[in-house]
Amino acid sequence: QQPVQSPQAVILREGEDAVINCSSSKALYSVHWYRQKHGEAPVFLMILLKGGEQKGHEKISASFNEKKQQSSLYLTASQLSYSGTYFCGTGPDSNYQLIWGAGTKLIIKP
Amino acid sequence: GAGVSQSPSNKVTEKGKDVELRCDPISGHTALYWYRQSLGQGLEFLIYFQGNSAPDKSGLPSDRFSAERTGGSVSTLTIQRTQQEDSAVYLCASSLDKGRRNEKLFFGSGTQLSVL
Repeated sequence: QQPVQSPQAVILREGEDAVINCSSSKALYSVHWYRQKHGEAPVFLMILLKGGEQKGHEKISASFNEKKQQSSLYLTASQLSYSGTYFCGTGPDSNYQLIWGAGTKLIIKP
Repeated sequence: GAGVSQSPSNKVTEKGKDVELRCDPISGHTALYWYRQSLGQGLEFLIYFQGNSAPDKSGLPSDRFSAERTGGSVSTLTIQRTQQEDSAVYLCASSLDKGRRNEKLFFGSGTQLSVL
């Protein structure tokens, strides 16, 4: 039931674009995206809700395909600061808890 | 405080010992979550507190794990008779309310637990 994230890891040059996918076997009502740098707390990026409402940053956008039960996170003109592990959390589940993917490690090189 | 505070940041213990991990959520946040993060894995839900309601303990992996939240604020996660498989980062998060799908979580930096 854990959402599947892909790719597991990606290495980019600064300025390149990245796409991270999150697929669920269950119907989605919301998808949450967080970024975690090594040894630090996960930091909120984006929440996507059923019905198309979207929240987030300027250079980081996302799509939410309810029929395909998946979400994609788009990082445009990546910066060194984008490096980290990106997690998607899907929910709410029956007990109102998010179910988290295993993460996508993103490395941005100068 | 300005953010979610967890202590200690690192804990090394011997197998069989008990450990207590502390979480101080953001003031005014009624919801508090504990998660476990093993190396290379996603976040594993452990327990959830919301106000004065009975906690959702459905994620606790065994009866060696327990948690309490005093006065609707600080929470302590206790692991009794620690095992090597308990080694992980334990993350705490808080949020304003429960039940809304657009709820933003604020995480602490976690406690790295190592059981030798």
